Amino acid sequence: QVQLVESGGGVVQPGRSLRLSCAASGFTFNNSGMHWVRQAPGKGLEWVALITYDGSIKYYADSVKGRFTISRDNSKNTLYLEMNSLRLEDTAVYYCAVGKYYFDFWGQGTLVTVSS
Amino acid sequence: EIVLTQSPDFQSVTPKEKVTITCRASQSIGSTLHWYQQKPNQSPKLLIKYASQSISGVPSRFTGSGSGTDFTLTINGLEAEDAATYYCHQGSSIPHAFGGGTKVEI
Repeated sequence: QVQLVESGGGVVQPGRSLRLSCAASGFTFNNSGMHWVRQAPGKGLEWVALITYDGSIKYYADSVKGRFTISRDNSKNTLYLEMNSLRLEDTAVYYCAVGKYYFDFWGQGTLVTVSS
Repeated sequence: EIVLTQSPDFQSVTPKEKVTITCRASQSIGSTLHWYQQKPNQSPKLLIKYASQSISGVPSRFTGSGSGTDFTLTINGLEAEDAATYYCHQGSSIPHAFGGGTKVEI
C-alpha cells in the first residue's frame, strides 16, 4: 500500500535552516507529481510547493518563494523540502502528498517549530 | 490567484442528519474541485475528486456536486465517525488553494 513517511522536523531558531524528507513506497514514485502542504497549529491547510515527476518543473506558494526549495531523488524514492531563512509563521505540520491536480495520499506529517 | 470560500465554518449536527457544505471559487474552475476529510490528529484523506467523482473505499453517503464556481459536499445520513474538518481544494492552477475548512461536530 502507499506509504509516505516524513522526517526532519524539529525546533529551529528564526533565520535558520531545516531540511525535510519524505520517503515514498507502494506506488511508482518516479511517475508521480509530489507536493508539500502545511498546517499551522489550529489552522487550515496551505499548499507550499509542487514538483513534477522528473523534477524538471517546480512551483511555490508566494509565502515561501525564494526561501524554500523542493527537490526529489527518484533513485531513492524520496522527496525533500529545503527550508531557509525560517520565520515564526513557518511553524506548522508539514505533509508530503502525492498527485498532480489532487492529493491521492498524504503522509502523517512532521512538525516544524520556529522559535527563539 | 483563485480563492476558495467555504461555508459554514462550523456545523453542529446529530447522527443521521444531512449535512451540506459549500465551496465557492473566485473564478470558474470547471470541475477541478476536490474534497478532503481531516479527523483530529490525522492527515487529510481524499473524499471526492473532480467535484463529483467518488473515491474507492469512501462511504457512498459522501457525494459532491457543482461546477464553475459553486460546489457542494453532501453527507447523507451522518454517522458519528464523520466528525471531522472538511476542506475543498482546487488544483487547476498555480497556486493550489484550499478553502478555510468546515468543522462538523456531532
